[in-house]
Amino acid sequence: GENVEQHPSTLSVQEGDSAVIKCTYSDSASNYFPWYKQELGKGPQLIIDIRSNVGEKKDQRIAVTLNKTAKHFSLHITETQPEDSAVYFCAAVEAGGTSYGKLTFGQGTILTVHP
Amino acid sequence: DTAVSQTPKYLVTQMGNDKSIKCEQNLGHDTMYWYKQDSKKFLKIMFSYNNKELIINETVPNRFSPKSPDKAHLNLHINSLELGDSAVYFCASSLIESNTEAFFGQGTRLTVV
Repeated sequence: GENVEQHPSTLSVQEGDSAVIKCTYSDSASNYFPWYKQELGKGPQLIIDIRSNVGEKKDQRIAVTLNKTAKHFSLHITETQPEDSAVYFCAAVEAGGTSYGKLTFGQGTILTVHP
Repeated sequence: DTAVSQTPKYLVTQMGNDKSIKCEQNLGHDTMYWYKQDSKKFLKIMFSYNNKELIINETVPNRFSPKSPDKAHLNLHINSLELGDSAVYFCASSLIESNTEAFFGQGTRLTVV
C-alpha cells in the first residue's frame, strides 16, 4: 500500500518568512496530492491540491510542487502570518482507482509563526 | 450550514461501555469515511462507504462497526471500549466521480477512562 513520509515534524519561523514542508510517497499509482491544514480543535481543511499531470500550482501565498519521477511534493508558504500556525498534512490518493479516494496522510508538521 | 457534522464533539466513557458516533453530510457526496487521529496527530483511515456499501475496511478490531443507513449518514459504533480507543475520530465525505477534495467533520474526541 501507499506510504507517505513528511518532514519536518515541527517548523518554527518568524512572521514574514517562508515555510517549506516536504513529502515523499511510495506508490506510483497515486495521482492526487492534497494538503490539509488542521487548526486546534477542528477537522483538517483542504488548502491546496495538485494532480499528477501538473508540476506546480499556486494560490496566493501558497504553492505546491510535484516531482513524479522522484515521488516527492512540497508545500511552500510565503510571507507567513501568525494565523498560518497550525498542523499541516500532506496526503496521497489514487484518485479514480480502487482506493475510492482513500487518503494516506503524512505524519503532519506543526508550523508555528512567531509575530 | 455545516457540510459534514458529527456528534458528539466530546465523549468520555468508561472501559467496557458501548458508544456510537454519528455523522451526516449535506454535500450530496457518494462516499463517506471514518479516520482515526491518535495522540501523535497521525491520521489513518478506518472505513469507507460508497453508496451505502462498505468498500474499505482497514485493520480495525471488529469491536468497531460502521453503519450507513443512507448515502448522507455514516455512524460508528464501538463495543467494549478499551483505553487504547481514546483518540479523535473524524468523519469525511467526497464525491468519487469528480475526484474532488474530501471534507472533514469537526471530530469527536473520545476519552476512555
